[in-house]
Amino acid sequence: SAVISQKPSRDICQRGTSLTIQCQVDSQVTMMFWYRQQPGQSLTLIATANQGSEATYESGFVIDKFPISRPNLTFSTLTVSNMSPEDSSIYLCSVRTSGGANTGELFFGEGSRLTVL
Amino acid sequence: GNSVTQMEGPVTLSEEAFLTINCTYTATGYPSLFWYVQYPGEGLQLLLKATKADDKGSNKGFEATYRKETTSFHLEKGSVQVSDSAVYFCALRPRQAGTALIFGKGTTLSVSS
Repeated sequence: SAVISQKPSRDICQRGTSLTIQCQVDSQVTMMFWYRQQPGQSLTLIATANQGSEATYESGFVIDKFPISRPNLTFSTLTVSNMSPEDSSIYLCSVRTSGGANTGELFFGEGSRLTVL
Repeated sequence: GNSVTQMEGPVTLSEEAFLTINCTYTATGYPSLFWYVQYPGEGLQLLLKATKADDKGSNKGFEATYRKETTSFHLEKGSVQVSDSAVYFCALRPRQAGTALIFGKGTTLSVSS
């Protein structure tokens, strides 16, 4: 398993500003992913955070809007840029540990709840 | 493509009732299947999993069997408790290496005493 800490846990932001969410894992992990969970909706994958290279984005998500860093095997950041009320959501960091490599399960942080006014 | 379809909620039950939450999937090959639970105000937790056909995942009285012939992974519990009130997500992991999980829309369960 893995213990995942996300900061901030929640924030209220003004339209047009940017916010960076941090994800810290208590052990080195092979895969890190960022999901979005809009109110009353399921989880949508934003991107895979690749260590030492650019993130891989899913259809509908672009680097300019959601820049991601992953400087090492235990840490990643997601920035939500130029926010609008439509970006109000819970942003979740998730990881796959080497122990889960065969079964594929993901472990999740508690999420960062952003409200954009 | 890969997708997961869950029954629409909310599901409202009395304590000790039998629970079934339906989940079907579309995938290339044979994915791994999961149920996650999200209790109010908390993050997602893995509830159970199955990695191949006919596997049965179980945890905390919940069970789900990987049915290849019907491409289903229905969640069941014989006697629900108030503490089971949560949102339940069915998810799959395609066989391709390095892939994330694909989630269903979630089913809200509300259990009353």
